[in-house]
Amino acid sequence: GQQLNQSPQSMFIQEGEDVSMNCTSSSIFNTWLWYKQDPGEGPVLLIALYKAGELTSNGRLTAQFGITRKDSFLNISASIPSDVGIYFCAGQRDTDKLIFGTGTRLQVFP
Amino acid sequence: EPEVTQTPSHQVTQMGQEVILRCVPISNHLYFYWYRQILGQKVEFLVSFYNNEISEKSEIFDDQFSVERPDGSNFTLKIRSTKLEDSAMYFCALPGAENTEAFFGQGTRLTVV
Repeated sequence: GQQLNQSPQSMFIQEGEDVSMNCTSSSIFNTWLWYKQDPGEGPVLLIALYKAGELTSNGRLTAQFGITRKDSFLNISASIPSDVGIYFCAGQRDTDKLIFGTGTRLQVFP
Repeated sequence: EPEVTQTPSHQVTQMGQEVILRCVPISNHLYFYWYRQILGQKVEFLVSFYNNEISEKSEIFDDQFSVERPDGSNFTLKIRSTKLEDSAMYFCALPGAENTEAFFGQGTRLTVV
């Protein structure tokens, strides 16, 4: 089946640091999405990417749709304590269903 | 961004019992999805439902599962005879304007004992 591998699995950083995480697949995707999930909550959409090479920002977040269409990365600049959570990438291929990545758990220390 | 409310927030049920999970969109939607997330794992697609028909389902969505739109607004996911491994968070999701995004509800935590 289609697999999306995220790295790193977890990150422990200090407040103010920048963060980078990525998502790779053996299959091509037409859309890449990045979500954040807090404990006991549903995933919240952060950024959506629709074209290969696209670079999109949302506040301190920046994400890029890889040129090969098999990868994407998410950067968070100047991290703050409320950035804590699990970040999931998700891809869409032929249909509307989302294939989710394995997640990156982010911890931010003051 | 569409909004959706899920009920109940938490359900505990005995193995073999039937459960019905509900999803209520704030505005009329013809299209919705159900996903599940086993504790500590990734979110997995279950089924998409369009205009009162299943449009796609995963291999997880076996004969024990069914989806309905019983009264034109609520969407339900029914598990006929729950198993221990059905314990998970179940999320309803709605598409965005582009139909390429999905906006998730808060989820129902199902615990099968």
